[in-house]
Amino acid sequence: GQQLNQSPQSMFIQEGEDVSMNCTSSSIFNTWLWYKQDPGEGPVLLIALYKAGELTSNGRLTAQFGITRKDSFLNISASIPSDVGIYFCAGQNYGGATNKLIFGTGTLLAVQP
Amino acid sequence: GAVVSQHPSRVICKSGTSVKIECRSLDFQATTMFWYRQFPKQSLMLMATSNEGSKATYEQGVEKDKFLINHASLTLSTLTVTSAHPEDSSFYICSAREGWTQYFGPGTRLLVL
Repeated sequence: GQQLNQSPQSMFIQEGEDVSMNCTSSSIFNTWLWYKQDPGEGPVLLIALYKAGELTSNGRLTAQFGITRKDSFLNISASIPSDVGIYFCAGQNYGGATNKLIFGTGTLLAVQP
Repeated sequence: GAVVSQHPSRVICKSGTSVKIECRSLDFQATTMFWYRQFPKQSLMLMATSNEGSKATYEQGVEKDKFLINHASLTLSTLTVTSAHPEDSSFYICSAREGWTQYFGPGTRLLVL
């Protein structure tokens, strides 16, 4: 199935560093979602974006809906060990013909204490 | 946020037997639920869309007679893996839609011996 291009594939950082990851698509979406998945668990919603250009924060996390509607980024500031996990972006066209979430390939984040 | 539960969290079965996995939206009603499959170190792949009161819509390549889906109420969808084989061993995750957002269950680890 279709997947979005997500980068970087993995990141190994020191505690306290800032993190940035992004997601690009060849087609436009009207919704972008960012999830975090811990090993053996289901994805947990971090931030939902519903409007092109929208910038939304959730604690140390900030995400933006690209103005072209084909990309989104997620920033994590002052990383801590519990930020470790796999981060997935997902795009959808809610109300459209397909109405399905299309997932990114994931970014594995490792944080060294 | 909205809560989605799955049961069981883990199941081991013999080859040839059938396994049922339940997905429940605990604090909201979901006319649409989704079933995903995830292999190690990979992203989530949509198997089917479950619609309350109607037949599920399967993704290309997913056998509808092998993966039976029932969405009999606004809070419950079930996935039955029929005549399971070792290659069906995987992590199965459901999600439920509330508005424009999808919330995921904790996943079910299936091991077929």
